[in-house]
Amino acid sequence: SQQGEEDPQALSIQEGENATMNCSYKTSINNLQWYRQNSGRGLVHLILIRSNEREKHSGRLRVTLDTSKKSSSLLITASRAADTASYFCATAYTGTASKLTFGTGTRLQVTL
Amino acid sequence: DTGVSQNPRHKITKRGQNVTFRCDPISEHNRLYWYRQTLGQGPEFLTYFQNEAQLEKSRLLSDRFSAERPKGSFSTLEIQRTEQGDSAMYLCASSLVLGAEQYFGPGTRLTVT
Repeated sequence: SQQGEEDPQALSIQEGENATMNCSYKTSINNLQWYRQNSGRGLVHLILIRSNEREKHSGRLRVTLDTSKKSSSLLITASRAADTASYFCATAYTGTASKLTFGTGTRLQVTL
Repeated sequence: DTGVSQNPRHKITKRGQNVTFRCDPISEHNRLYWYRQTLGQGPEFLTYFQNEAQLEKSRLLSDRFSAERPKGSFSTLEIQRTEQGDSAMYLCASSLVLGAEQYFGPGTRLTVT
């Protein structure tokens, strides 16, 4: 499959700290999206960044995109216990925009 | 609730049986997607519909799998002669615009014994 790589695979932090997750992908993209998945449930869309954008913010989320390095990062500031979940990056590749190609995910644990 | 719904939420079946899952997308979304997710992995694309037309199928979708979207509304995914390797979460998503954010249902967890 064409899954991208995410790191770290797992991250454990305390409430109030910032969490940073990284994603790398393989070929040219139309956009890159981040999703959150709580244990055993469906995915929730967090943020979309287009290939011509470098940074995007949404509430406590900050996403960066470096197309020269084929990488993206998701920063969650002032984390809360409710942020505990798996986070996936997903890319819409040029020419195959109908489907998303997901990474393997980062499992974030936020403790009190 | 106007989100994407999937039924059933859980399905346990014996190897060799056929199963069918249903997905009801957000009503104004004409694009519908099926994904499969195994434990510890990200979702993998299976197939894509625009209205009632099935426009793309993954090589993961063997001839035992068939998906339909009659009348461009709900969709069904059928697996014939299930195998233990089919055990996974089957996720449905819909979107309004190609390449935009997708809205996912809660998934159907299939266990093949």
